[in-house]
Amino acid sequence: DTEVTQTPKHLVMGMTNKKSLKCEQHMGHRAMYWYKQKAKKPPELMFVYSYEKLSINESVPSRFSPECPNSSLLNLHLHALQPEDSALYLCASSQGTGGPTYEQYFGPGTRLTVT
Amino acid sequence: AQKVTQAQTEISVVEKEDVTLDCVYETRDTTYYLFWYKQPPSGELVFLIRRNSFDEQNEISGRYSWNFQKSTSSFNFTITASQVVDSAVYFCALSDENRDDKIIFGKGTRLHILP
Repeated sequence: DTEVTQTPKHLVMGMTNKKSLKCEQHMGHRAMYWYKQKAKKPPELMFVYSYEKLSINESVPSRFSPECPNSSLLNLHLHALQPEDSALYLCASSQGTGGPTYEQYFGPGTRLTVT
Repeated sequence: AQKVTQAQTEISVVEKEDVTLDCVYETRDTTYYLFWYKQPPSGELVFLIRRNSFDEQNEISGRYSWNFQKSTSSFNFTITASQVVDSAVYFCALSDENRDDKIIFGKGTRLHILP
């Protein structure tokens, strides 16, 4: 089973709202990722968690706050977003880090609109 | 500096034609990994292949084949007898020189298969 699930599929939020994106994998993967993708662009890495610890933060604004409650779950907490943050947010997981670079398996994404 | 170049921004072919998507990369690493991903209109990135730099054997999977040539730093992807369901954006990616938990995406090639 190579499935990564994400909820919700679509989210519309105002600039003063607080919301969370959720991601789950049951492949026993030890690395999880958040990407942001704007239309007609490649995915842009935001955060990486390796063995439940934050290993990469690609200088993402603090209005995005990641959380990894356990090895299967990854959340992205959103607060005071701007309209330019509207994008497809993709979660991914991979076997692990600290050695070869493994393929990442992606979820279907959350399409976020900030009004 | 590391780079993945997909020079073809958009390609249109008629169904049943063969089509090759080009990928050229630059890296200083001697050990590296290359990937191809498919992103259909639904948005989810689908992993297609991972290849390490020591394995130059060409790979075939059904109608898909990959040609890895280190001498030209290319990792091209061919779809034989294309089908409408192959319409998608295809991304080539390369492992990061400095981090094994990060991959660098090309800008993608948008493929239209016309019925």
